[in-house]
Amino acid sequence: AQSVTQPDIHITVSEGASLELRCNYSYGATPYLFWYVQSPGQGLQLLLKYFSGDTLVQGIKGFEAEFKRSQSSFNLRKPSVHWSDAAEYFCAVGSPSGGYQKVTFGTGTKLQVIP
Amino acid sequence: ETGVTQSPTHLIKTRGQQVTLRCSSQSGHNTVSWYQQALGQGPQFIFQYYREEENGRGNFPPRFSGLQFPNYSSELNVNALELDDSALYLCASSLPPGYEQYFGPGTRLTVT
Repeated sequence: AQSVTQPDIHITVSEGASLELRCNYSYGATPYLFWYVQSPGQGLQLLLKYFSGDTLVQGIKGFEAEFKRSQSSFNLRKPSVHWSDAAEYFCAVGSPSGGYQKVTFGTGTKLQVIP
Repeated sequence: ETGVTQSPTHLIKTRGQQVTLRCSSQSGHNTVSWYQQALGQGPQFIFQYYREEENGRGNFPPRFSGLQFPNYSSELNVNALELDDSALYLCASSLPPGYEQYFGPGTRLTVT
């Protein structure tokens, strides 16, 4: 069964500092990988995705993520965090299975940005 | 291009009642998935509809059911509501099931 682990429940960074959010997945083959962001009381917005090809993927809002098969990881990075980045971030793994795509989410990492 | 919309925004129901939540998919998307997000948790996959047929289901009991209409909009029905059904219900649409999903703002259901 596929699963996602986000080991950091809560992270605090200073505005302008770099950010890395960790994500580890479990899946038998090459997965589809996603990062979503959720502001309080809102739905999820897709930041970036990995399906195949280049293992470093660029997303919106200056985010990037790197797929490392050997480590079963898909960490999210941003070189300089802005106060508006404060939100909850979810890593997800998707797998085509029997004609549909099952997407499994991690439990999320809540990002706090301090001035 | 219109994004995914959901109605209502908020809903309060009593235990044992039934509820229907609605979702309009993004223009051109023929696949709709529903998720339940309990407070402090990640979304949990309920089921997916593709071309009006349920083509995948998560670990939810049969009292969670759905429909997809010819215009690809969708409904989630929950019978015999329980307190633990209180959550944010998210709808996501996509092109054929293998593509990335785009989420609506959700419906907050409170069961008392």
